[in-house]
Amino acid sequence: QSALTQPPSASGSPGQSVTISCTGTSSDVGGYNYVSWYQQHPGKAPKVMIYEVSKRPSGVPDRFSGSKSGNTASLTVSGLQAEDEADYYCSSYAGSNNFLPWVFGGGTKLTVL
Amino acid sequence: QVQLQESGPGLVKPSDTLSLTCTVSGYSISSGYYWGWIRQPPGKGLEWIGSIYHSGSTYYNPSLKSRVTISVDTSKNQFSLKLSSVTAADTAVYYCARDLRGTSYYFDYWGQGTLITVCS
Repeated sequence: QSALTQPPSASGSPGQSVTISCTGTSSDVGGYNYVSWYQQHPGKAPKVMIYEVSKRPSGVPDRFSGSKSGNTASLTVSGLQAEDEADYYCSSYAGSNNFLPWVFGGGTKLTVL
Repeated sequence: QVQLQESGPGLVKPSDTLSLTCTVSGYSISSGYYWGWIRQPPGKGLEWIGSIYHSGSTYYNPSLKSRVTISVDTSKNQFSLKLSSVTAADTAVYYCARDLRGTSYYFDYWGQGTLITVCS
């Protein structure tokens, strides 16, 4: 069982928007602005899409955005494209004094219909 | 461009020790940052194993701590993972990654991953 809770699946048609949630606790997601999101295509390594809740690394399309409210973080993909179909994982730093400093979600499979 | 590459045997016998090395290019480990290991069992999610600072200080996943050792060799620009007493539950793709703990708190560069199968 993963420390962060994500829906197992999400879907949307090309051009639509989809939001994936990531629920943790006040010890991780709610306690730090260090939520990151990773995209993983089959057989490939994860690629960071969002860090520090809402920041995009260079090269990541602005169709990807992140936010957080309380213990729940969200990733929104706007203007869905076929290449966005992948697994998405959220992660949070939980502090050096926490039992587990790095926690991940179980992943959400995004399907572009 | 920072690149990471895992290497090691693809098959490990139960109760043996799994050993992996991550070779970093495009960046000198001794310049800073943490360097970590993350694994992903087939069809499952990601699990952080542990990370090491360029100076050698480490922090581990408490659930694996008794079996894990991570070390760094700055002369070879490599860091390594040893996981002892492996079982079938340790079968996974193992990734090495740069751990930005202390700065931006995420994993920015990842290796391609290597599948380790525990089987007799």
